[in-house]
Amino acid sequence: QVQLVESGGGLVKPGGSLRLSCAASGFTFSDYYMSWIRQAPGKGLEWVSYISSRSSYTNYADSVKGRFTISRDNAKNSLYLQMNSLRAEDTAVYYCAGSSSPWSPQWDYWGQGTLVTVSS
Amino acid sequence: QSVLTRPPSASGTPGQRVTISCSGSSSNIGSNAVNWYQQLPGTAPKLLIYSNNQRPSGVPDRFSGSKSGTSASLAISGLQSEDEADYYCAAWDDSLNGVVFGGGTKLTVL
Repeated sequence: QVQLVESGGGLVKPGGSLRLSCAASGFTFSDYYMSWIRQAPGKGLEWVSYISSRSSYTNYADSVKGRFTISRDNAKNSLYLQMNSLRAEDTAVYYCAGSSSPWSPQWDYWGQGTLVTVSS
Repeated sequence: QSVLTRPPSASGTPGQRVTISCSGSSSNIGSNAVNWYQQLPGTAPKLLIYSNNQRPSGVPDRFSGSKSGTSASLAISGLQSEDEADYYCAAWDDSLNGVVFGGGTKLTVL
């Protein structure tokens, strides 16, 4: 069955870095556009970043532009999010999600999320 | 503050029909498809409606979506206790070149 499993979350100090991973299985990962979406504690969903199926295109929310980098390795069926210069407001559960529709928030598949806490 | 405007809460009794609205602008809902997500407590969101009014396989036909101009709506008929969840609308925004969400509507089944 389809699975997206995030890992790499944890506690990090402000200004620190963290790399999230998302392992995909049960579907043709290389055909899907992938995203990271986050949810601060008790808050709504916020789209973070998007990457095309062949890594040709990426884009980011203004709130993370210049600090976060999305990437993928289709040979390993994996998605990544490198997060630098972390701030307290980056504290959230980070979900990876997959869409078969280009540049569309039509995410068919979601992971269970990984919690990132930015605190001193 | 979310780009897409929605009511923060909604409620209904079992069997009732409830509608949740989502209002945007010409750069998002007005020119792109709307998708709806259901998030049960403590779980990841689940795609409920895509392309304004399409249901993924497995989603009951009690759930329906519509769009008119720069607004969209999610309707739930025959309300059930298990429908108690947070509901989010989402659309691509051409001006922001990214995805925008509504802030979430908490549905309570009385």
